[in-house]
Amino acid sequence: GAGVSQSPSNKVTEKGKDVELRCDPISGHTALYWYRQSLGQGLEFLIYFQGNSAPDKSGLPSDRFSAERTGGSVSTLTIQRTQQEDSAVYLCASSFGLLPAYGYTFGSGTRLTVV
Amino acid sequence: AQTVTQSQPEMSVQEAETVTLSCTYDTSESDYYLFWYKQPPSRQMILVIRQEAYKQQNATENRFSVNFQKAAKSFSLKISDSQLGDAAMYFCALAITGANSKLTFGKGITLSVRP
Repeated sequence: GAGVSQSPSNKVTEKGKDVELRCDPISGHTALYWYRQSLGQGLEFLIYFQGNSAPDKSGLPSDRFSAERTGGSVSTLTIQRTQQEDSAVYLCASSFGLLPAYGYTFGSGTRLTVV
Repeated sequence: AQTVTQSQPEMSVQEAETVTLSCTYDTSESDYYLFWYKQPPSRQMILVIRQEAYKQQNATENRFSVNFQKAAKSFSLKISDSQLGDAAMYFCALAITGANSKLTFGKGITLSVRP
């Protein structure tokens, strides 16, 4: 597609429920990143995928968070047993490759509200 | 580990005037890129300008320019002839070449433009 697409745009869920957030990167972009933006904070790195390599999960805040990328394209971020502190905007970005010189294209994010 | 610091949470500028947004960073790496991103209410991060660390010349993009002081690890953004459409959150970010090239962000600054 023309840009990075994220769905849903907004999600309200009850505490304790599981949620899935979807990211559809730009076609041909091999690198995909998930970030979390909490109120008043910058973006916090969560996880990174590059081609068929093992993902870098070093930013995931707890084992309730997981992500997968199927076929080197669409990625899903799953949060199990959601907590109120999980409320944030979750942003996805994709890049042509490993080098920062390629730049990054961001989606519009999913605003998650846990009530 | 890398850190990016934006110490000013908010700034305001009169339309048509010039404003400078501050950013400092810390890294022990020598090969990196610095970025300024704009985030309007639509939430999508938009690249404003990018600087390669090995380039001494400051990057410019139309009304946007940077003052890159490598020794001081400072990377400020100057917006000239400010326009109402410049009102947004601005994030400074750093990416190290190699590894996963993830972006490390500052907390952002909210810029308002007075008509």
